[in-house]
Order: sequence, then structure tokens, then C-alpha cells
Amino acid sequence: EAGVTQSPTHLIKTRGQQATLRCSPISGHTSVYWYQQALGLGLQFLLWYDEGEERNRGNFPPRFSGRQFPNYSSELNVNALELEDSALYLCASLPRGALETQYFGPGTRLLVL
Amino acid sequence: KNEVEQSPQNLTAQEGEFITINCSYSVGISALHWLQQHPGGGIVSLFMLSSGKKKHGRLIATINIQEKHSSLHITASHPRDSAVYICAVRERGNEKLTFGTGTRLTIIP
Repeated sequence: EAGVTQSPTHLIKTRGQQATLRCSPISGHTSVYWYQQALGLGLQFLLWYDEGEERNRGNFPPRFSGRQFPNYSSELNVNALELEDSALYLCASLPRGALETQYFGPGTRLLVL
Repeated sequence: KNEVEQSPQNLTAQEGEFITINCSYSVGISALHWLQQHPGGGIVSLFMLSSGKKKHGRLIATINIQEKHSSLHITASHPRDSAVYICAVRERGNEKLTFGTGTRLTIIP
């Protein structure tokens, strides 16, 4: 069974640009979570999508947005990039339901210059 | 004060030693996760607990819901156990995960 995949693995942008990160969940998983791990900091919850809808979001500005497609894959968009957006962005998927282990993708390293 | 506190922040031990990493939290939770993150950044979910104790190989995780505390133990530690171990709690009614800052474990051969 294929795991959670993310693309691209690395992304370099300049300040003010937009970044789009993609996540494909494990087949059969309907929930996708996005997390940010900035250098030297812990993981921070960004967004949760389930069945195509945004269910919850963390304490991030509106320029962090995303969507989930009918096949349950997801995109994270970051507009008006700032230097401090440089981080590892991880997505995780799990089957529908509250008490399940999350399966993490390998992450996308975003560098904003 | 962070909602999830881990200790120690860093831990260095000799191969074979028994390792304990602690996690305390302040919110009501529906589940607690222990995660392992290797230097490349990849994260593996080790355990999900809502009560009691779980064991997988050399790893043991316990949780005390009344005391809002969990521990991760590693028996017969090995250099390949070197990683950052992260505790995360799923807040009751919220479904989002809140993470501790992690414990960096280094096992010396």
C-alpha cells in the first residue's frame, strides 16, 4: 500500500510569491491534516480537511489556505510569502473518525528568500 | 505555558540503557500520540493512546489520564533509536493535534 505522498520535496520562492504544496493521502483515507515545522520550532497545526471541507484551522493568517479535491488529495497555498514561512510542511492522512493513527508524508521543504 | 510539555529536551545515553521520555499536558484530550522524527524530517507515528499502556517491540507507552501525563520508554536502546520523539495530544471536541517541542535522543554506541 502506497503511503502519503507530497510534492514537491523542495521548493524555493522569493518573498511575496505564492507557493502551492500538494498531498496525496493513503487510499481510503478521507482526512488530510497540514502542519508547519519551522526551523528550531515544534510542529504547528495548520489545517484539517475532511470529505472535501475545511474542518478546522490553526492560528495562521488567511494567506495560508487550501482545499481538498474529490479524490481526497489536498493542496496547501501560501500567498504573499514571508521569510518566516520557510519551514518543513507536513501532511498526514487518516481514515474518517476521531481516534486513528495519523500517517505522515515525507514533507515539503519550503525556503523563502 | 505550553499546553504540551516534554522532558527532557535533550537526552544522550549509552547503547543498552533504558530510556524514559515524559509528556505532560493541560487540556482535556481524546487521544495522545507519540511520534518519531528522524534527521531527514520524516515522521513515524509510534503509538496512539487513550488509556493504559501499549507495547511495540522495545517501545512502551503509558498514559495516566487523571494525572495528564504520558511516558515513552525504550528498552535496550540502540543507536538507530536516535531521533526526535514528539508527544502530541488530540484535544477533546477539537480534533486538532497540539504538539510538544520534542525530545532529541542520541544513543551512543
